[in-house]
Amino acid sequence: DQQVKQNSPSLSVQEGRISILNCDYTNSMFDYFLWYKKYPAEGPTFLISISSIKDKNEDGRFTVFLNKSAKHLSLHIVPSQPGDSAVYFCAASAGYGGSQGNLIFGKGTKLSVKP
Amino acid sequence: GAGVSQSPRYKVAKRGQDVALRCDPISGHVSLFWYQQALGQGPEFLTYFQNEAQLDKSGLPSDRFFAERPEGSVSTLKIQRTQQEDSAVYLCASSLSRGLGGYTFGSGTRLTVV
Repeated sequence: DQQVKQNSPSLSVQEGRISILNCDYTNSMFDYFLWYKKYPAEGPTFLISISSIKDKNEDGRFTVFLNKSAKHLSLHIVPSQPGDSAVYFCAASAGYGGSQGNLIFGKGTKLSVKP
Repeated sequence: GAGVSQSPRYKVAKRGQDVALRCDPISGHVSLFWYQQALGQGPEFLTYFQNEAQLDKSGLPSDRFFAERPEGSVSTLKIQRTQQEDSAVYLCASSLSRGLGGYTFGSGTRLTVV
């Protein structure tokens, strides 16, 4: 059973508009969440993270929102650029800074930003 | 090097053949992870090393999979008697410490078992 779910396999957005990628999780023990970006034939690249004590973390054009009661997080990219076109993976871990740290990944969402 | 290096980039193996995949982590990174990514899926955890100690191997799918990191730097993932279901991209990641989630991934080794 998938503990981290990305229900949208793909998303298409116009350049300059907002991209919103969603992620749901089932394990209430998860306390650290990350987004990775992956280009073809490359490994995932860390993008942004958030711990469960926060509900928002911002880094430039990227903002991650966490709704713990709904077990939902989202990644906002504003404004979207063609270079943002990639597969985005949501990941979660339990016991941040503690004994755990293995990442549980979703299946990914392929974002296409059209010029 | 500046990043995590994996070799080979591509490997085609005949079913039943043994393979060895290599990972050179970022110098000084204590933590090293192996993940398996099947087509259309997200990466799935295989095993974790802290220096030379393999602290977690709960994700290894069978006893045909074996990983080592004898000197706490380079790691090798070995798959014995490969099967078609082993076909996947094998990703290595390293980090300064386990608690930090911003691991640096290598580009992976794409294994195809025919």
